Amino acid sequence: AIQMTQSPTSLSASVGDRVTITCRASQGITNDLHWFQQKPGKAPKLLIFTASRLQSGVPSRFSGSGSGTDFTLTISSLQPEDFATYYCLQDYNYPLTFGGGTKVEIK
Amino acid sequence: QLQLQESGPGLVKPSETLSLTCTVSDDSIGSRNYYWAWIRQPPGKGLEWIGNIYYSGSRYSDPSLESRVTISVDTSKNQLSLRLTSVTAADTAVYYCARGWGDSSVGVFDIWGQGTTVTVSS
Repeated sequence: AIQMTQSPTSLSASVGDRVTITCRASQGITNDLHWFQQKPGKAPKLLIFTASRLQSGVPSRFSGSGSGTDFTLTISSLQPEDFATYYCLQDYNYPLTFGGGTKVEIK
Repeated sequence: QLQLQESGPGLVKPSETLSLTCTVSDDSIGSRNYYWAWIRQPPGKGLEWIGNIYYSGSRYSDPSLESRVTISVDTSKNQLSLRLTSVTAADTAVYYCARGWGDSSVGVFDIWGQGTTVTVSS
C-alpha cells in the first residue's frame, strides 16, 4: 500500500498567517491526491481534488500544488474557521490511503 | 442538497457482525455518475478507508478488512450498506458513508454522512 506522510502533525498559527501543510507519498501518484478538512465532531469536507483543483464553495485562500510524490496544501491567510485537522488522500491505486493528519491550532 | 444518513446499532459484541446502513436522500445511488464509500475513524485517530462500490457493481476494499467486509447497494431503497464480521475492539470507530464522483478518480468524496459511532464491547 502507498504510505502517505503528512507534516507537520500539528502546528500553531495566528489569524492572518500563511500556512503550508505537506503530504509525501511513498511512491509516485501523479496528481491523484485530494485534501480534506475536518472539524471536531464533524465529517470531513473536501477542499482540493486532483492536487490543485478547488472544490466548489471552498474559499480561494485554500490552494493545492504538487505532483509525483510531494504535495502541498496552502492557506494564504488563516481565518478563525480554518482551525481544524487536514488530511490528504491518495487514490492512485488501491487501497486508498489517507495521511495521518495535520492539526492546525490557534497560537 | 443531497444528504447521507448512517444508521445502525451503536454497540456490537466482540465476534459478532456490525451492520450499518447509509440512506441517500435522492435516487443518485443508482447513477453511473457516482460511486460510494465507507470510511471510518477510530477514537482520537485518523481516517481509514474501508471500501468503494461502483455503479457496475465492482467493489474494492482495504486488504486488511477484505475477508470480513461486505459493501452493497440497494437502489430500490436508496441505501448503501456495510457489513463487517467478527468484530473486535479495534473496529470501534465513527463510521462514515460518502459519495464520490469523477470518471478518473475514485477518492473524490464530496458529500459525507454525519457519521455513526460504533463501539465493540461485551
